[in-house]
Amino acid sequence: NAGVTQTPKFRILKIGQSMTLQCTQDMNHNYMYWYRQDPGMGLKLIYYSVGAGITDKGEVPNGYNVSRSTTEDFPLRLELAAPSQTSVYFCASRKSPSGGVNEQFFGPGTRLTVL
Amino acid sequence: RKEVEQDPGPFNVPEGATVAFNCTYSNSASQSFFWYRQDCRKEPKLLMSVYSSGNEDGRFTAQLNRASQYISLLIRDSKLSDSATYLCVVNINTGGFKTIFGAGTRLFVKA
Repeated sequence: NAGVTQTPKFRILKIGQSMTLQCTQDMNHNYMYWYRQDPGMGLKLIYYSVGAGITDKGEVPNGYNVSRSTTEDFPLRLELAAPSQTSVYFCASRKSPSGGVNEQFFGPGTRLTVL
Repeated sequence: RKEVEQDPGPFNVPEGATVAFNCTYSNSASQSFFWYRQDCRKEPKLLMSVYSSGNEDGRFTAQLNRASQYISLLIRDSKLSDSATYLCVVNINTGGFKTIFGAGTRLFVKA
């Protein structure tokens, strides 16, 4: 299994440009997440999905959009990039939570700089 | 008040030292607890779950104190390879599960 894969690894955008960060998992996990991590800070949840066709906002959704047409893929769309969106973006997935051990598996991250 | 708080450190310790990290959480609906490890410029990875009875994995021991709402991680006989950021993670049952990540505690182990 490849686990969670993300593309691209790095990207530089100009203010006002748009792009899609790709995330794919091959573990047949229902739950998928997008986080951003600013330097020296914890992970902040942008959007999450509990299954194909279902998405919901997290803590910091403004400026982003997501879709979940398949179990495997959970792309994150940035419209009108702003310098405040400079961050490292992590995609994660896990099985449906059961209250017990429920590890989130993370992709390697996408480092985005908006200039 | 943050839902999950950690001392950001950094903790600078020599090889072989014992080091302990604490984490406090504020939501009494918190149900499950974890420590993740994040190496520099890498993704977080699960280090261990934390149980009320305490649990040990080699040199690592995790403890949970529900009454005081804190969890701890003890690392014995520190190795250079233990240098990383340790994230405290809490799952809260609010009808659906919400996962909160602490900002992390940085550890540097020196030769």
